[in-house]
Amino acid sequence: NAGVTQTPKFQVLKTGQSMTLQCAQDMNHNSMYWYRQDPGMGLRLIYYSASEGTTDKGEVPNGYNVSRLNKREFSLRLESAAPSQTSVYFCASRRETGYNEQFFGPGTRLTVL
Amino acid sequence: AQSVSQHNHHVILSEAASLELGCNYSYGGTVNLFWYVQYPGQHLQLLLKYFSGDPLVKGIKGFEAEFIKSKFSFNLRKPSVQWSDTAEYFCAVNVGSGTYKYIFGTGTRLKVLA
Repeated sequence: NAGVTQTPKFQVLKTGQSMTLQCAQDMNHNSMYWYRQDPGMGLRLIYYSASEGTTDKGEVPNGYNVSRLNKREFSLRLESAAPSQTSVYFCASRRETGYNEQFFGPGTRLTVL
Repeated sequence: AQSVSQHNHHVILSEAASLELGCNYSYGGTVNLFWYVQYPGQHLQLLLKYFSGDPLVKGIKGFEAEFIKSKFSFNLRKPSVQWSDTAEYFCAVNVGSGTYKYIFGTGTRLKVLA
């Protein structure tokens, strides 16, 4: 049981380049999330997906797109990377029963030059 | 606006000292409350959670937190910290209890000196 996995772990991009961050969970959760973590700002929600086939914007969606490919996978795409997108990106899934806690992946550290 | 405040941004303690990290939220409805811990270079892990019932909840590694509804607070405590508790701690609120929306505090960096 791997939980939430993310690839890649590290990435360096030049301004204007594009890339996709991959996320997968094996806990059969419906809800999945993408956050960015910046120093002194905690975690901010970029997009979330309540179920397969649905996505919604969070607090900071500009410059990002997402795809909920199936129940397991939720990808985040940067079409034209900017230095302001330098951050650590975390994917999470949520258990819908019990305490509704979120489970986080190991993160992707992205630097945009 | 809904928000979560963690007033201590950086805390430095010696081993065996007691710890209390503050967390206050602004939301008048039902909430689920969480504390997550992030050890250096690792992802966030759940430390403890409050859903309902006894407002004093116990988590892993000797941590506990108390929900005081009248103060909109959920402070984290540990009687005696260890060097291995060095980490960043995040308070999070599930707004509306069971909805998609989670609001995170800005985090508190704890450094424990051996």
